[in-house]
Amino acid sequence: KAGVTQTPRYLIKTRGQQVTLSCSPISGHRSVSWYQQTPGQGLQFLFEYFSETQRNKGNFPGRFSGRQFSNSRSEMNVSTLELGDSALYLCASSLSGQGKYGYTFGSGTRLTVV
Amino acid sequence: AQRVTQPEKLLSVFKGAPVELKCNYSYSGSPELFWYVQYSRQRLQLLLRHISRESIKGFTADLNKGETSFHLKKPFAQEEDSAMYYCALRNTDKLIFGTGTRLQVFP
Repeated sequence: KAGVTQTPRYLIKTRGQQVTLSCSPISGHRSVSWYQQTPGQGLQFLFEYFSETQRNKGNFPGRFSGRQFSNSRSEMNVSTLELGDSALYLCASSLSGQGKYGYTFGSGTRLTVV
Repeated sequence: AQRVTQPEKLLSVFKGAPVELKCNYSYSGSPELFWYVQYSRQRLQLLLRHISRESIKGFTADLNKGETSFHLKKPFAQEEDSAMYYCALRNTDKLIFGTGTRLQVFP
């Protein structure tokens, strides 16, 4: 069965712009989480959605937002981009909604802000 | 505060040598811990979860609540084990990751 699919793979944006990243979870998975991976901060949790509801949010500014659709696909949006937002953004899906048996990660979207 | 600590950024061993990747955690409840691996240019993959008490690719990890540790071990390292390894703690709906340890296995 298909894994977690993230699009696009690469993005280059300029400061001040906004960006939308997309994630399609494994079929049947209803929980989608987003993480930011940078060399300096490592892997940091952004937010988690389950059945179109945000259940948990990490310590990121309000410029970072997301949503989940009825088919469990999720998008995250970053507005007013800053150079420090350059990172690999990972999406992960889980069957149970609590990740008790682990999360499956996508390949990520590499965002470069110039 | 919940935290995962991986004290080693880099661990280098020769093929056939034993490997131990250290992970310590801080968590007030009953922890659920995982090891994830990221091979070069591949996605992050689940390697082990402590609730399963399984052995994957020869790796094992035992939860030691007294020492608050979840070290990853393999008796004989292989070159294909070279990768980035992350220890993670599940806190409700999110994972808290350690900073990762890069394992280099030399021939």
